Amino acid sequence: DAGITQSPRHKVTETGTPVTLRCHQTENHRYMYWYRQDPGHGLRLIHYSYGVKDTDKGEVSDGYSVSRSKTEDFLLTLESATSSQTSVYFCAISETMSPGEKLFFGSGTQLSVL
Amino acid sequence: AQKITQTQPGMFVQEKEAVTLDCTYDTSDPSYGLFWYKQPSSGEMIFLIYQGSYDQQNATEGRYSLNFQKARKSANLVISASQLGDSAMYFCAMREGLIGRGANSKLTFGKGITLSVRP
Repeated sequence: DAGITQSPRHKVTETGTPVTLRCHQTENHRYMYWYRQDPGHGLRLIHYSYGVKDTDKGEVSDGYSVSRSKTEDFLLTLESATSSQTSVYFCAISETMSPGEKLFFGSGTQLSVL
Repeated sequence: AQKITQTQPGMFVQEKEAVTLDCTYDTSDPSYGLFWYKQPSSGEMIFLIYQGSYDQQNATEGRYSLNFQKARKSANLVISASQLGDSAMYFCAMREGLIGRGANSKLTFGKGITLSVRP
C-alpha cells in the first residue's frame, strides 16, 4: 500500500472556525491532490500540487486554500468552515499526470461542520 | 457537460454471477486513460483496472475486465463470478491529455454505482 497518511481521520467543528487537514506521503511522489466526496457527486477535485510551492485550483476550490512546503506534506485549509463543507476529504498522490497514471488514495477525513 | 456518466443508481447481483457496471465518457482528446476504483463500506479507494485510449485490447485484471467501446465512448466494468466482498461503490474515472499541468490532465470521477451482491 502507498504510504499516505491523512490527519485527523475525523473532525467536528463549528461554522466559522478555521480547519486544516494534513496529508503526508512517504512515496516521494511529485503530484498530490485533495478531493471531496459527497453523495450524488462522486469525488471532486479541490486543489492539486505539482511540486513544492506549486499548486493549482480544481473544480470546487472556493473556500479552500492549500500549501505544500515539503514534498511529503500537502495541507488543506478551510479558512472559515461552513456547513456546506461537511464532507469526506481524500488526499491522493501520483508520480506523474500522464493519462495512464493512477492515483493512490489516503484513508480519508470525515469532516462535520455544525 | 459531465465528462463521466454513471447512470445506474444501484445494482444487485447474485453471488457467483457476472455483472456489468456502465460508464460513458465525453472527451475530444485523442489521448486519455480510463480507470475504475472500488470503495467498500470501510471507505478506502481501491484501484481496480485501467484502459488507455490507444490500447488495442480490453483490459483485464483477474475477475475484472473492461468492455471498452471507443466509438461509443463507453468503458463498462465487468465483474465475473461475483463475491460477497464485491459489494461496494464503484467509480469510473478519466484522465485526459498529455504530461504536464494542463487543465485536463487531472483525474475526473463519475458519481459512482452501488453494487450489492446477494448470497
